[in-house]
Amino acid sequence: DVKVTQSSRYLVKRTGEKVFLECVQDMDHENMFWYRQDPGLGLRLIYFSYDVKMKEKGDIPEGYSVSREKKERFSLILESASTNQTSMYLCASRDRVEPRGQNSPLHFGNGTRLTVT
Amino acid sequence: GNSVTQMEGPVTLSEEAFLTINCTYTATGYPSLFWYVQYPGEGLQLLLKATKADDKGSNKGFEATYRKETTSFHLEKGSVQVSDSAVYFCALRGGGTSYGKLTFGQGTILTVHP
Repeated sequence: DVKVTQSSRYLVKRTGEKVFLECVQDMDHENMFWYRQDPGLGLRLIYFSYDVKMKEKGDIPEGYSVSREKKERFSLILESASTNQTSMYLCASRDRVEPRGQNSPLHFGNGTRLTVT
Repeated sequence: GNSVTQMEGPVTLSEEAFLTINCTYTATGYPSLFWYVQYPGEGLQLLLKATKADDKGSNKGFEATYRKETTSFHLEKGSVQVSDSAVYFCALRGGGTSYGKLTFGQGTILTVHP
């Protein structure tokens, strides 16, 4: 079974702090993703990475950055946390998809609930 | 761009009732469609999928049919159980070099009472 592990289940940080959310997957997947989940908004893509050291902005990248130095680890960074970044953060990974192959599912971690006060 | 719209929740049903959660989408090209489920305290899990028009995805008694003419992928189950209580997300993956990105709907909370 694929395992996607997020290092913290709950985090409480102060406004202006630098925050690191860590995600590790154990299946040698090329693609990794960070989403945030908010009531009524579903999941929104923040950033994704299709290979080591490669990253692409998702739909809501403002206020975030990412790091992918090793294939198994994808970190989400809040340079200066703000209260509107209070949310549930979900990491996911999947195997690389050839141009028309669309069958490989996302595998999600259990989420990190971040509160910024 | 791509978008997914789910019916408003929450949905509350009695055990053994029939379930429908509506999902419609907007996309260019030939998207694949998915339903994910999130049980309390957990991440999302793939429930079922369909990759082309008229395909029917099914799993654990749930079904959804990819209807290109109505751009819909409604989730159905004939007889729900208390253990089906969860949040359900409809999602699509666009065609081409999308790196597997998914666009999600807003989620529908389902509560099933004994």
